[in-house]
Amino acid sequence: AQTVTQSQPEMSVQEAETVTLSCTYDTSESDYYLFWYKQPPSRQMILVIRQEAYKQQNATENRFSVNFQKAAKSFSLKISDSQLGDAAMYFCAYRERSQGNLIFGKGTKLSVKP
Amino acid sequence: EAQVTQNPRYLITVTGKKLTVTCSQNMNHEYMSWYRQDPGLGLRQIYYSMNVEVTDKGDVPEGYKVSRKEKRNFPLILESPSPNQTSLYFCATGVLGQETQYFGPGTRLLVL
Repeated sequence: AQTVTQSQPEMSVQEAETVTLSCTYDTSESDYYLFWYKQPPSRQMILVIRQEAYKQQNATENRFSVNFQKAAKSFSLKISDSQLGDAAMYFCAYRERSQGNLIFGKGTKLSVKP
Repeated sequence: EAQVTQNPRYLITVTGKKLTVTCSQNMNHEYMSWYRQDPGLGLRQIYYSMNVEVTDKGDVPEGYKVSRKEKRNFPLILESPSPNQTSLYFCATGVLGQETQYFGPGTRLLVL
C-alpha cells in the first residue's frame, strides 16, 4: 500500500527566510501525482502546488517550489521569502493517476516568526 | 462559480442520533469522496464514488454510509454516531484522470 511520510511535525521560520518541508512516499506505481496542501486556521484545504511523476522538471508556483526526486521517492516543499500568512498546517499527498484517492501525510505545522 | 458546499458546517450531536452531512458540487464532476481529519493522522478517505450509483469503501468506512443518486450530491450518513466519529470531515470532488481535486469547506462534528 502506498504511504506518505512527513517527518517534521512542526517547523519554524523567520519572516522573509526560506524553509523546506520534507515528504517521502512509498509506491510501486510509476504514474502518479504529488501535491502539497495548505490548511490555515480556517481549516480550508488549499492546493499549493502539484507535480506529475513523469515530469522531471520541478513545479514552481511563485514563492513555492518543490524538489522532486523520483528515484528517492522524495517530494520536499520550499517556501521562499516566508510571510506571516504562510503559517499553517501543510500536508503532502499522493494520488495514482487512475485513482481518485488522495493519500495524505500526517502534516507539518509551520510557524512564521515576525 | 465552481463550488463544493457542505452542510452543516458545525454539528454537535449525541451518541446514537442519526445524522447526515451533505456535499454538493456544481462542476459536473464524476468523482466525489469523503475524508475525515484527525489530529496527528492527517486526512483519511472514508468512502468514494466514481459516478452515480457507484460507491466504494475507502480506508476508514466503519460506521458510515453514503449514497450517490445524483451526480451533484454525495451525502455522508452516520446511522448511529459514536464519540470516536468526532472529527473534521471534508468532501472532495474531481474528474478522474485530471490531477486537481476540489475540497469543500469542512464539517466539524462533535459526538457527545
